[in-house]
Amino acid sequence: ETGVTQSPTHLIKTRGQQVTLRCSSQSGHNTVSWYQQALGQGPQFIFQYYREEENGRGNFPPRFSGLQFPNYSSELNVNALELDDSALYLCASSLVAGGIDEQFFGPGTRLTVL
Amino acid sequence: DAKTTQPTSMDCAEGRAANLPCNHSTISGNEYVYWYRQIHSQGPQYIIHGLKNNETNEMASLIITEDRKSSTLILPHATLRDTAVYYCIVRGATGANSKLTFGKGITLSVRP
Repeated sequence: ETGVTQSPTHLIKTRGQQVTLRCSSQSGHNTVSWYQQALGQGPQFIFQYYREEENGRGNFPPRFSGLQFPNYSSELNVNALELDDSALYLCASSLVAGGIDEQFFGPGTRLTVL
Repeated sequence: DAKTTQPTSMDCAEGRAANLPCNHSTISGNEYVYWYRQIHSQGPQYIIHGLKNNETNEMASLIITEDRKSSTLILPHATLRDTAVYYCIVRGATGANSKLTFGKGITLSVRP
């Protein structure tokens, strides 16, 4: 059973650019959630994808968007990058099949916006 | 906003039990208590969760008070590798309430 993987591990962009982060979910999981973690803070929920549809969103602007593919992997896209977007971006996968699920996190992508 | 309050930090000696408290006085009847931990620069790791009853697994024990307004995570024999930020999270079972809402957590330092 493979765990959650994310790519790239580190990324440096400049203000105004666009970025795509990728997440491969754990085998057998059908749901991916994305979180942003600023330095010294707990992770903040961005959105969740279930069966290729957005299934809940946190307090993030529309320039944060995502996709989930038929194999349940996922992308997080951020347009018009701002300095405050510098953070660790975490994805978590889970199996939602009625009832509570357990989310398993990947190692994260560290994004630096200059 | 997080529905839990935790102390900012605590420490314990290696080999001793670490008891991490959490207050969740506004918890609803169908909400679970979850614990995750995050070792520096890694993704959060699931530890344990419970609804009403005390729970134990290979990592830890979770003690929930009868009124469910507080809980304690117990690491029975702390090691240096248990040094991490521990997050107590109240979480609904379905829909929008099922997302994980992290606070700042408690930083546990295990000393030799």
